[in-house]
Amino acid sequence: GQQVMQIPQYQHVQEGEDFTTYCNSSTTLSNIQWYKQRPGGHPVFLIQLVKSGEVKKQKRLTFQFGEAKKNSSLHITATQTTDVGTYFCAGYTGDFNKFYFGSGTKLNVKP
Amino acid sequence: DVKVTQSSRYLVKRTGEKVFLECVQDMDHENMFWYRQDPGLGLRLIYFSYDVKMKEKGDIPEGYSVSREKKERFSLILESASTNQTSMYLCASVLRQGLREQFFGPGTRLTVL
Repeated sequence: GQQVMQIPQYQHVQEGEDFTTYCNSSTTLSNIQWYKQRPGGHPVFLIQLVKSGEVKKQKRLTFQFGEAKKNSSLHITATQTTDVGTYFCAGYTGDFNKFYFGSGTKLNVKP
Repeated sequence: DVKVTQSSRYLVKRTGEKVFLECVQDMDHENMFWYRQDPGLGLRLIYFSYDVKMKEKGDIPEGYSVSREKKERFSLILESASTNQTSMYLCASVLRQGLREQFFGPGTRLTVL
């Protein structure tokens, strides 16, 4: 069935290093969303990508949606300790209730 | 701001008990969801509701039921709790499925002994 695979599961970086997490869908997506969950918190919406090849930036965060609308990435430049948390992608196929979350990438940033 | 609240942050129940988890949102959203979150598995959809008294099964509905008698309230029911239902349960709401962001509640960490 439909799945959204997300890698890596964990990433440990030194503060100032870059970080990237990737999501891959087995089928074409209508849109993809990204969420951040701080330790002990709940997922909070970051951004939504809709168009093929779309690139959006939020300060040090860059989000991309692949040309085939099957993959997406989140890149953080020069990580900070405030970036610690788990990042989830969530793909929507356009079917009524088919919204699939990736398994998440847990980011740890060492000061 | 949208606010989604859940009845308990932590809950401990015994095997076989009936468990009710309540979720309330204050922004008149049509769609509400129940997920469970387990390490390495991400968020898995249990049930969702797109209107009062309407519900749809998600990916893992077995062992759960739901109730939506009022637009703002969505309840998750574990008819007979089992240890494999120990998990974090997250409620979410969205104005329009797939086109807008989901707003999550703080979560309920349920332990079944």
